[in-house]
Amino acid sequence: GAVVSQHPSWVICKSGTSVKIECRSLDFQATTMFWYRQFPKQSLMLMATSNEGSKATYEQGVEKDKFLINHASLTLSTLTVTSAHPEDSSFYICSAPTGTSRETQYFGPGTRLLVL
Amino acid sequence: GDSVTQMEGPVTLSEEAFLTINCTYTATGYPSLFWYVQYPGEGLQLLLKATKADDKGSNKGFEATYRKETTSFHLEKGSVQVSDSAVYFCALNNNAGNMLTFGGGTRLMVKP
Repeated sequence: GAVVSQHPSWVICKSGTSVKIECRSLDFQATTMFWYRQFPKQSLMLMATSNEGSKATYEQGVEKDKFLINHASLTLSTLTVTSAHPEDSSFYICSAPTGTSRETQYFGPGTRLLVL
Repeated sequence: GDSVTQMEGPVTLSEEAFLTINCTYTATGYPSLFWYVQYPGEGLQLLLKATKADDKGSNKGFEATYRKETTSFHLEKGSVQVSDSAVYFCALNNNAGNMLTFGGGTRLMVKP
């Protein structure tokens, strides 16, 4: 299957700092990528849809100024958590659709963020 | 809107037991259905999928059949192993911008 990578896999930061998470499609081009967050023992919550060359589409309740998304190329999307606070600590996962009908999504391994 | 409902876990089984994880969905049209698996500390991996009614997806001994009449996509495996311990997510794609709608996940624990 297609491969999606994320970097970093783990990040610990102080409250008030900003953290950038990268999501890359390694062997295919992705005009669209999705960003999710997952709290312990819970399902994935879609945060936003990242679109190459245009603004991201955010889900209701997700602060666009807090979670900045930049889809810089056909293989890279970044999520920046600005002025992180402990409540932003979570597992962040990206995915990208691929295939003939683009219905199948491949997920990155996730980035665990801990804000102290 | 679309929704996916899974049986709540955790499901605890002994090795070589038969596994069923129920999944039902609500959606307009003809969605594609998926099972994803998440091992501890990792992202999601596609386990299997089915794109139309009566299709059977299968992989690594797991299988699920798309039942439109009962709007279900139950996951089954005849003989589970300890290495199958993970969280399993049922999901659908109704082509709404290729977004996936996830169920709540079911944690499976297999004991030796």
